[in-house]
Amino acid sequence: DQQVKQNSPSLSVQEGRISILNCDYTNSMFDYFLWYKKYPAEGPTFLISISSIKDKNEDGRFTVFLNKSAKHLSLHIVPSQPGDSAVYFCAASLLHAGNNRKLIWGLGTSLGVNP
Amino acid sequence: KAGVTQTPRYLIKTRGQQVTLSCSPISGHRSVSWYQQTPGQGLQFLFEYFSETQRNKGNFPGRFSGRQFSNSRSEMNVSTLELGDSALYLCASSTWGQVGEQYFGPGTRLTVT
Repeated sequence: DQQVKQNSPSLSVQEGRISILNCDYTNSMFDYFLWYKKYPAEGPTFLISISSIKDKNEDGRFTVFLNKSAKHLSLHIVPSQPGDSAVYFCAASLLHAGNNRKLIWGLGTSLGVNP
Repeated sequence: KAGVTQTPRYLIKTRGQQVTLSCSPISGHRSVSWYQQTPGQGLQFLFEYFSETQRNKGNFPGRFSGRQFSNSRSEMNVSTLELGDSALYLCASSTWGQVGEQYFGPGTRLTVT
C-alpha cells in the first residue's frame, strides 16, 4: 500500500515556465513533509520541507503548498531552469512505534526542463 | 564539512553470496538510515540506526541486517544474495533521524548475477 503517491512518473516543461510536482498521501498522521531532488549517479539532496501546521513554505524559486483536507502537497518551481532536470521525491514523516519517526517516500517524478 | 561517504561505489556479486556495504556519516550525525532504490519501487526504507541501536526497520527479510559503530559509521549486510537484490543502496545521515533533513551519500550500486 503506497501511502505517499506521486502519480506522475514524468513531467516536461519549458525553461522559464512553472513546474508543478504533485504528491498525495493517505495517512492523516503524517505531520512533516519534505521534497528531495536526485540527479543520476548521486544521492538525493534535500530541497524544501513543510510542517503540517503550515500551508505554504517558500525558498527562492521553490514553494511547497500543503492542503491537509485534500491530503495533497505540491512543489512549485518558478522559473524552471534546465539544471532543475532531475527526479523529485516527496517524503512524509510520522511518529511510529512509540517515539520513533519514520519517513515514507513516494516513487518520484522525473522532471525535464527544456531549454 | 565532509559529506556522507559510501564504499564501495560499485559491486558485482553472484547469487547466494553475501555482501557488506559501508557508510560513514557526516561528522556529528548520530542517525544513519539505509534505503534500497530500484526503478519500479522508488526509495524503500531498510532500517535506521541511532547511537548504535536500531531504531526503525522497514519490511525487508532477515537477510538484510545492519549495525552501527560507536563512531556512527554503519554497515549493512545482505546474506544469500538474490537477483532481486540488485539495486542502488543509499545511506543517509542526520542529526535526529527520520524527522527532518537527511544527507545522502552517492550510493552503492550492487549487481547480483
